Amino acid sequence: NAGVTQTPKFQVLKTGQSMTLQCAQDMNHNSMYWYRQDPGMGLRLIYYSASEGTTDKGEVPNGYNVSRLNKREFSLRLESAAPSQTSVYFCASTPGWTDTQYFGPGTRLTVL
Amino acid sequence: AQPVTQLDSHVSVSEGTPVLLRCNYSSSYSPSLFWYVQHPNKGLQLLLKYTSAATLVKGINGFEAEFKKSETSFHLTKPSAHMSDAAEYFCVVTKSNEGNMLTFGGGTRLMVKP
Repeated sequence: NAGVTQTPKFQVLKTGQSMTLQCAQDMNHNSMYWYRQDPGMGLRLIYYSASEGTTDKGEVPNGYNVSRLNKREFSLRLESAAPSQTSVYFCASTPGWTDTQYFGPGTRLTVL
Repeated sequence: AQPVTQLDSHVSVSEGTPVLLRCNYSSSYSPSLFWYVQHPNKGLQLLLKYTSAATLVKGINGFEAEFKKSETSFHLTKPSAHMSDAAEYFCVVTKSNEGNMLTFGGGTRLMVKP
């Protein structure tokens, strides 16, 4: 099993550009999450999907959209990137709603 | 009050000496508590998890943590540091008594000197 995979690993954007971060898990997990990591702030939840077909806002959803394409895939879209969105983005998944989260390797995004 | 506070942003120890990473939480109920480790340019890996069973929780790589409700603490310890322990450590608490909404502490960077 590959676990949780994320693409791309690195990305540089200009202000105003759009892009989609991809996340996939092969563990048949129900719930998936997107976080951003900034220095000194730990990880903050952007959006989550408790089950296929549902998505909800987390702590810092502004400027982002998500799509739970199917049970395996959960994508994060930046419609108009801003320098404040420079961060490391992590995707995670859990078998159910109350289980330990498994994290992907992260995507390092820089917005100039 | 912050849901979870890591009291030290940086900790430096010598190889072979004990490690103590401090974490306090704020909660009106018994939460689930976790410690995650992140090695440079890597994702997060679960070290250990407390879910109201034994108060002393043993994790991977010789780490353990003790849940002390009276002190609202969940400090991470290891008797003898190894160079490979150098990483960032996150104390994490469930945000509510329903579901799996995690709140992360700010992280503690552990440095191990030879």
